[in-house]
Amino acid sequence: DAGITQSPRHKVTETGTPVTLRCHQTENHRYMYWYRQDPGHGLRLIHYSYGVKDTDKGEVSDGYSVSRSKTEDFLLTLESATSSQTSVYFCAISGNSNQPQHFGDGTRLSIL
Amino acid sequence: RKEVEQDPGPFNVPEGATVAFNCTYSNSASQSFFWYRQDCRKEPKLLMSVYSSGNEDGRFTAQLNRASQYISLLIRDSKLSDSATYLCVVTRRNNNDMRFGAGTRLTVKP
Repeated sequence: DAGITQSPRHKVTETGTPVTLRCHQTENHRYMYWYRQDPGHGLRLIHYSYGVKDTDKGEVSDGYSVSRSKTEDFLLTLESATSSQTSVYFCAISGNSNQPQHFGDGTRLSIL
Repeated sequence: RKEVEQDPGPFNVPEGATVAFNCTYSNSASQSFFWYRQDCRKEPKLLMSVYSSGNEDGRFTAQLNRASQYISLLIRDSKLSDSATYLCVVTRRNNNDMRFGAGTRLTVKP
């Protein structure tokens, strides 16, 4: 399996609080991605990174920010969590933009 | 209309059966195509890429029809371990812009 670790694996928090999810990889891959998965929608891309300090928005980026200060770490931040952001969040990595992506174990986030 | 559409199922089949899933996509400029498999409460895992000429990997066969904009996955001699949700994935310009179907659920029964 690809060396991807997501933390935390589960989190419950309250509306209005900040939340940061971490994705750590040991593959030295250039590309990293954050998705959310909701019933009936499939996975949807939030943000991705194509190098250190290089990020771009995905399909559902509103309410989320990201940072990548090191090749191995990609952080997803919800500045002020809302109940609509309750979801399962997956991180993915790939070596280049023409390779398929490999996913981490996911983070289950509940916002009450 | 969603960009990638799949029949959600569930498909319930006996062991040894052959089962086929279809997936349609709306963006005619789509570049690459994949099937992923996702077990309950687990991460998606790449099952196979889908090539224009069609391709096979053991009991699994994938086909692409660009003219009709659909992708298919055929599973022969189904095993209990094939029970999972199968995700159809289509990319736009490159693999940074992957669009996922909501998945087709398969249950293989003894």
